Amino acid sequence: DAMVIQNPRYQVTQFGKPVTLSCSQTLNHNVMYWYQQKSSQAPKLLFHYYDKDFNNEADTPDNFQSRRPNTSFCFLDIRSPGLGDAAMYLCATSRRLTSGSGYTQYFGPGTRLTVL
Amino acid sequence: KNEVEQSPQNLTAQEGEFITINCSYSVGISALHWLQQHPGGGIVSLFMLSSGKKKHGRLIATINIQEKHSSLHITASHPRDSAVYICAVSRNYGGSQGNLIFGKGTKLSVKP
Repeated sequence: DAMVIQNPRYQVTQFGKPVTLSCSQTLNHNVMYWYQQKSSQAPKLLFHYYDKDFNNEADTPDNFQSRRPNTSFCFLDIRSPGLGDAAMYLCATSRRLTSGSGYTQYFGPGTRLTVL
Repeated sequence: KNEVEQSPQNLTAQEGEFITINCSYSVGISALHWLQQHPGGGIVSLFMLSSGKKKHGRLIATINIQEKHSSLHITASHPRDSAVYICAVSRNYGGSQGNLIFGKGTKLSVKP
């Protein structure tokens, strides 16, 4: 089945130790998103790629970086994780449609990051 | 004031009850989405609406564009419906087109 896959599902890292989360998709969608979701809060968009074009949200900390080497894969790098970065990280994809017609975002299962 | 407001925040129902979750928004949108998130899990897209009404199984979603309001209904609720239901909108301007603005979610618990 076409889907959005995230690895690992659970990640434990130490304070300040770089970590990379991965996302892959078989939907061949143009757009890939990374969200951060803390407990009992709505997901917060960190950045998204439209094809190779990177779009960073204004309030995304510099500590968060992303790479999209090809259509199928997107990575989230956290350079120096702090305790406040412990969260669920959600990847999503969508096929970009013309304005006014909307689209559906397809979400992965998420990676739960713990920072010790 | 949040651009997307949901009510109620928490909802407890008995199995079999008819459930309504409301969402209102204050921005121009190209579409409204209802999403479901189970505890510790990823998010599943239930509906995407730009007008009218959609039905899938026991779930019904409606939207009133003039009133900027949408409702999600669950008929004959079941404990497996227990989850957080999130309303999100995609704005109708270019540039950030496609980025979702999320409501805070409604936590539904259906008791057997």
